[in-house]
Amino acid sequence: DVKVTQSSRYLVKRTGEKVFLECVQDMDHENMFWYRQDPGLGLRLIYFSYDVKMKEKGDIPEGYSVSREKKERFSLILESASTNQTSMYLCASSLRYEQYFGPGTRLTVT
Amino acid sequence: ILNVEQSPQSLHVQEGDSTNFTCSFPSSNFYALHWYRWETAKSPEALFVMTLNGDEKKKGRISATLNTKEGYSHLYIKGSQPEDSATYLCAFTTSGTYKYIFGTGTRLKVLA
Repeated sequence: DVKVTQSSRYLVKRTGEKVFLECVQDMDHENMFWYRQDPGLGLRLIYFSYDVKMKEKGDIPEGYSVSREKKERFSLILESASTNQTSMYLCASSLRYEQYFGPGTRLTVT
Repeated sequence: ILNVEQSPQSLHVQEGDSTNFTCSFPSSNFYALHWYRWETAKSPEALFVMTLNGDEKKKGRISATLNTKEGYSHLYIKGSQPEDSATYLCAFTTSGTYKYIFGTGTRLKVLA
């Protein structure tokens, strides 16, 4: 069965902290994605990766970076967390066009 | 800027009612239209992937249609049950990219 896992379901961090959100998939997928979901805005793409060490900016990359050192793991990094980064973060992976999602991490920055 | 719109934003129906939602998307460079169901505290679950104009897909009491020429898809739920309560998301893919463009979702609440 297809599985995408995220390191935390809930996370509370302080403004200015460096935050790591981890995503792991067990399907040998090449493509991995990070989204954030905010009320009334739908899922918005932050970054995606189509291969190890390859990444591309999505629609809202400001304030974020990513790391993909191994095929199965894609990390989202908030270099200096701010309150406007409080959101639900979803990771997904795909081989081609069908994306499989993790359960999400609800991040609160205080 | 490519935009995907879903309507209505939210919906309350009684158990046993049938209901439908709409997803509108750009009709140019179309590759695929995806429907997902997202229940609270769970991962979004893929319902349908549709690629051809006129496609109709069915999964139990849920079905979907696709019109790529006019840029819309309808999702239908027959005889709604409380377990159908979820947010229904559509996402649009253009040719040559694996990126999705999501709509804002329709939140369905089925009252027992």
